[in-house]
Amino acid sequence: DAGVTQSPTHLIKTRGQQVTLRCSPISGHKSVSWYQQVLGQGPQFIFQYYEKEERGRGNFPDRFSARQFPNYSSELNVNALLLGDSALYLCASSFTTGGNTEAFFGQGTRLTVV
Amino acid sequence: QKEVEQDPGPLSVPEGAIVSLNCTYSNSAFQYFMWYRQYSRKGPELLMYTYSSGNKEDGRFTAQVDKSSKYISLFIRDSQPSDSATYLCAMSEYNFGNEKLTFGTGTRLTIIP
Repeated sequence: DAGVTQSPTHLIKTRGQQVTLRCSPISGHKSVSWYQQVLGQGPQFIFQYYEKEERGRGNFPDRFSARQFPNYSSELNVNALLLGDSALYLCASSFTTGGNTEAFFGQGTRLTVV
Repeated sequence: QKEVEQDPGPLSVPEGAIVSLNCTYSNSAFQYFMWYRQYSRKGPELLMYTYSSGNKEDGRFTAQVDKSSKYISLFIRDSQPSDSATYLCAMSEYNFGNEKLTFGTGTRLTIIP
């Protein structure tokens, strides 16, 4: 089975531009979460979507938005990019079995804002 | 104060040694505890998943959770050079349907052959 896939793997944008990152969850997983990982730090929670509904939002500005599609894939949009948005953006899909929920991460999209 | 504290290291140990990695946390509502391994420029890989207090063993890896002390540990026995990576602890309050993970900063581990 394919794991969580993210595209693109690398991206360079200019300050003020907008970017869209994409994520395809593991087949059968209905929950998708997005995280931002700045170099040398742990991932920070941005959004979680379950069955196309937003279930959680982290402490990020409104420039960040996301959505989930009927096939459970997801997009993360960031508007008016700032230099500080440069980071590895991670998507995680999760499922629940036996009462436990495990999250599996993609390889990430490395965004550089110049 | 961060919700989850983790010594960033770096930590270097000789091959075959026992490695101990630790995290402390302040949010008593955390119930689910995870350890992820992250190689350079890759996404985190789930290593261990535990619920509430207790121990869990999987091969050379043992995870311990002490909720009374708000302290979790990961032990790696017979460490190998391939174990060289950044190890992230993660925790969550909820389970099904609302699964925000709160991560530590990660500990960078190097196993010296």
